[in-house]
Formats: sequence, structure tokens, C-alpha cells
Amino acid sequence: DADVTQTPRNRITKTGKRIMLECSQTKGHDRMYWYRQDPGLGLRLIYYSFDVKDINKGEISDGYSVSRQAQAKFSLSLESAIPNQTALYFCATSDPRVSSGSLGYNEQFFGPGTRLTVL
Amino acid sequence: GQSLEQPSEVTAVEGAIVQINCTYQTSGFYGLSWYQQHDGGAPTFLSYNALDGLEETGRFSSFLSRSDSYGYLLLQELQMKDSASYFCAVTPGNTPLVFGKGTRLSVIA
Repeated sequence: DADVTQTPRNRITKTGKRIMLECSQTKGHDRMYWYRQDPGLGLRLIYYSFDVKDINKGEISDGYSVSRQAQAKFSLSLESAIPNQTALYFCATSDPRVSSGSLGYNEQFFGPGTRLTVL
Repeated sequence: GQSLEQPSEVTAVEGAIVQINCTYQTSGFYGLSWYQQHDGGAPTFLSYNALDGLEETGRFSSFLSRSDSYGYLLLQELQMKDSASYFCAVTPGNTPLVFGKGTRLSVIA
């Protein structure tokens, strides 16, 4: 099945370390996203990419960077991790060509998530 | 900017009907989506409304009123497996979804 995968699934690291979270997809979607989820705060967008040459900041990009290595791969980096970056991170994809006949239809497909703990 | 409001928690009895409301304020609007997330899992898409009215998919229905900037998700014949968090999300335009903070639904026997 076409899928969205994330590695690692769990990571514990120390303050100041550089961390990379990886996302791969076999759906053939152009659009990819990184979200952060904290209890009670929902899903907040960190970065998004509408194609390989397109990178955009989301709501909470400070302290993060991304790389779109190919259509199928979108990596999130924490250059110097800090404890308040402890959270659940999700990658997602979507395909704007799939409209189901409705304007703005934008079903997103999420990976399983990476639980990151920064000590 | 964009903001969405939905209740933080809802409790309902197995077999009953529950409605989860969502109000939104956005600078642009194409439609309203709903996602379900079980504990420890990833969000999964439930429905999308671009036009006013009710869309039904099995036990779940979603409603939109564009003039009131309001929508709801209706779950009928509740089952224990429906216990999860439910997120509304708006499509502001050709930009990514903006999610609400989620409603945690607990289904009790």
C-alpha cells in the first residue's frame, strides 16, 4: 500500500543536540507537511512544501529547518534541541489534483508520528 | 489570521448521538474538514464540506453553514471505538489546513 513513513518513531536526546526526523512517502504526492502536536494545542504547522523546489514556513518554524530531498522525502531538523521541543511530530502529504469535485478539498495523509523527548 | 473553536471534551453514552461543534474565523475559506485521532495514532480524514448543508457517511455526518462560520460533526449510534480526539480544520485557500485544538470524545457504557 502507498504509505507515509517516519523515522525514528521514538527519540530521546539531550539539550543542544542536532536531531533529524525523516519522512518518506510512496503516495506520489507533491505536497508534504511537518506538524507538531502538544496536548491541548492540536496540530501546529512547522513547515510545508508544495513541490521539491518549494519550502515555506508554517506557524511555528523558529528552531526548525527542513530539507526536501526528493518528491518522496521531507526531513525536519532541530539544529540545537531544547526541552520545549519535546512533542509528537507528524509528517503528512496531500495531492491537490484529488478534488472529489469540491473546491479546496485537501485530504491529508499522516505518518505514524515521531515522539521526541529533549532532556 | 485564522482561529477555530471547538469544545475540549465531550462525553456520551454508547448507542447515543453526539454533536461536536466548530466555529471558525479565517481570512479566506474554501471548506471545513474533520479528522479523527485515536490515542497513540495518527489523524485520519473523516469528511470535507465546501458547501452549506449536511454530508452523510455511514454513522458520521458533517454539517457546514458558511454564513455562520460554523460546522459540526455528528456521530450516531456511538460505539466504544469512537472514543478519540476529533479535529476540525479549515482550508483558507491555496495554503495548508489550519486545525482546531481538538475535542476529546469519551464514549461510556
